[in-house]
Formats: sequence, structure tokens, C-alpha cells
Amino acid sequence: GDSVTQMEGPVTLSEEAFLTINCTYTATGYPSLFWYVQYPGEGLQLLLKATKADDKGSNKGFEATYRKETTSFHLEKGSVQVSDSAVYFCALSLDSNYQLIWGAGTKLIIKP
Amino acid sequence: DAEITQSPRHKITETGRQVTLACHQTWNHNNMFWYRQDLGHGLRLIHYSYGVQDTNKGEVSDGYSVSRSNTEDLPLTLESAASSQTSVYFCASSDQTSVSYNEQFFGPGTRLTVL
Repeated sequence: GDSVTQMEGPVTLSEEAFLTINCTYTATGYPSLFWYVQYPGEGLQLLLKATKADDKGSNKGFEATYRKETTSFHLEKGSVQVSDSAVYFCALSLDSNYQLIWGAGTKLIIKP
Repeated sequence: DAEITQSPRHKITETGRQVTLACHQTWNHNNMFWYRQDLGHGLRLIHYSYGVQDTNKGEVSDGYSVSRSNTEDLPLTLESAASSQTSVYFCASSDQTSVSYNEQFFGPGTRLTVL
């Protein structure tokens, strides 16, 4: 079945380090891909998305490229800040229904 | 601005009591979803609705029910609360237009404790 796999956390980095959070997917069709972020005590909010192969989503210094050949959508940021500490969720959607299929989430901790 | 709200934000109840969590959205979205979030389990879908009078079970629907009498609201009811239902509950909504790509908008969550 369709699924999303994320790297397990927590991921702990120092401020200004380079960030990669891996996300791979399995899907029978051509999904749209999302990264959501959840700050402590809050709901999830969309960070970025890509709707077709080779699209790059970007927001707040974060980027992710939809790689159909490797079925991946890895999240990257060149220089993280303490304020980026949060849980990050990768998700996919298919045209067949309105639901999102979620990864397990990756907790990111940035130390000053 | 359009938004999605949940109430209460925190709730403590006793085992066996009926509890209703409210979700209200002003996006005018047809789709609404209820999730629970537990450590080690990520987000799990409880119930969802694609429009007024439409409700469907998700992967963890036992012990929960929903009803959809209008576009804006999807209340979640725990018929007889159990300690296993202690969790953080999130409501979300989404559009049905193709340009939305099924992006979901989330409420702030309700933290429920069942003693």
C-alpha cells in the first residue's frame, strides 16, 4: 500500500548546522508531497509542497525536491536556528481520495 | 481570516464519561478530519467527512463517533471515555478543488486526559 517513511528522531544539531531530514514514499500513482511542521504546543502547519516530479518546494529557508526516480522528498536547510526546533512530518496525497498519508514525524532539536 | 478552531484546548475527564470535542472551520471546506497524536504513533486518523451528512471511519475509530450537520462543524464524541483515549486530538479541513492538492489546515489541538 501507499506509505511514507521518515528518518527516526530526534535529530539534534547545533545552530547554523546543515539539516537534512530524509523522506521516502511508496505510491501507486503520482502523489503530491508535503512537509508539515509542528511547533511545541501547536497544530501542524504546511511548510512546503511539491505537486509533480522535479518540483522544488521552498519556504522559510527550507527546501525539498520531488525525486520520482528515488521516490524521495528530503527536507533541507542550509543553516538552522534554535527557532526551527519542532516536529517535521512528511506526507503524500493521491488524486484517488482526499486523504493525506503521513510519515511518523521527526523531532528536530537545535542547540545554541 | 479563515481559520479552524478547537474547543476546549484542555480537558480532564473520568473513565466512562461521554466527552465531545468541538471543531469549527470558517474555510468553507467540504472535507474535515479528526486525528489523534500519541508519542510513537504519529498522526492516526479517527474519522473523516467529505460533506454534510457524510461520515467515515478511519483507522482508529473504535470508541469515537462524529456527525456532520453543517459545513463548518465536525464534533468528535467519545461515547464512554477510556484511559487509552488520553491523547492530543487535532481537527483538520481541506478543499475538494484540484488546485488544493489535498492540503490540510489544522486546528490548534485539544489535549484530553482520561483519569
